[in-house]
Amino acid sequence: AQTVTQSQPEMSVQEAETVTLSCTYDTSESNYYLFWYKQPPSRQMILVIRQEAYKQQNATENRFSVNFQKAAKSFSLKISDSQLGDTAMYFCAFGTDKLIFGTGTRLQVFP
Amino acid sequence: DAGVTQSPTHLIKTRGQQVTLRCSPKSGHDTVSWYQQALGQGPQFIFQYYEEEERQRGNFPDRFSGHQFPNYSSELNVNALLLGDSALYLCASSLTWNREDDEQYFGPGTRLTVT
Repeated sequence: AQTVTQSQPEMSVQEAETVTLSCTYDTSESNYYLFWYKQPPSRQMILVIRQEAYKQQNATENRFSVNFQKAAKSFSLKISDSQLGDTAMYFCAFGTDKLIFGTGTRLQVFP
Repeated sequence: DAGVTQSPTHLIKTRGQQVTLRCSPKSGHDTVSWYQQALGQGPQFIFQYYEEEERQRGNFPDRFSGHQFPNYSSELNVNALLLGDSALYLCASSLTWNREDDEQYFGPGTRLTVT
């Protein structure tokens, strides 16, 4: 069975600074995707970034990038130039055709 | 282009009652998945519907059942409600079934409170 672990329940960062959220997972699958979702207080889950397991190159989406270490089963999210609107719960998820989520990290961005 | 919609937004029920939650997928999507998100937790997969059939199911009891209609909309039914069923129920739709690379789009959820 696949599991996803987020060991940081809460993180905080000052506006314009960089923060890294950690995620580890366990699976015996060889072909899968990894995702970071953002859930603001409005509750709507929004896809931030995704990584295909067979691609060695780390995914990047504007200020968001990942550090994907397949052998270590690690998938961290780096947010550069943090903005107040980045304040939200962040969930790491493992996906084949359904998603398995971690317990989330609450990120607070301070002015 | 309307995204995933869910109704109702909030719901309060009493233990032992039954509840039905509704979801309309994003335009062009034919696969609907349901997730339960307890307070302070990540979403947990309940089941997935494609072509009006349940294709996959997570570790949830038979009290949780669903349906998908010909227009791809879906319902989640929960019978004999327990206090522990209180949660945010999220619906997600995707282009098609059984594709690892298919992005799931989430609705805003239905907050169910069981008293």
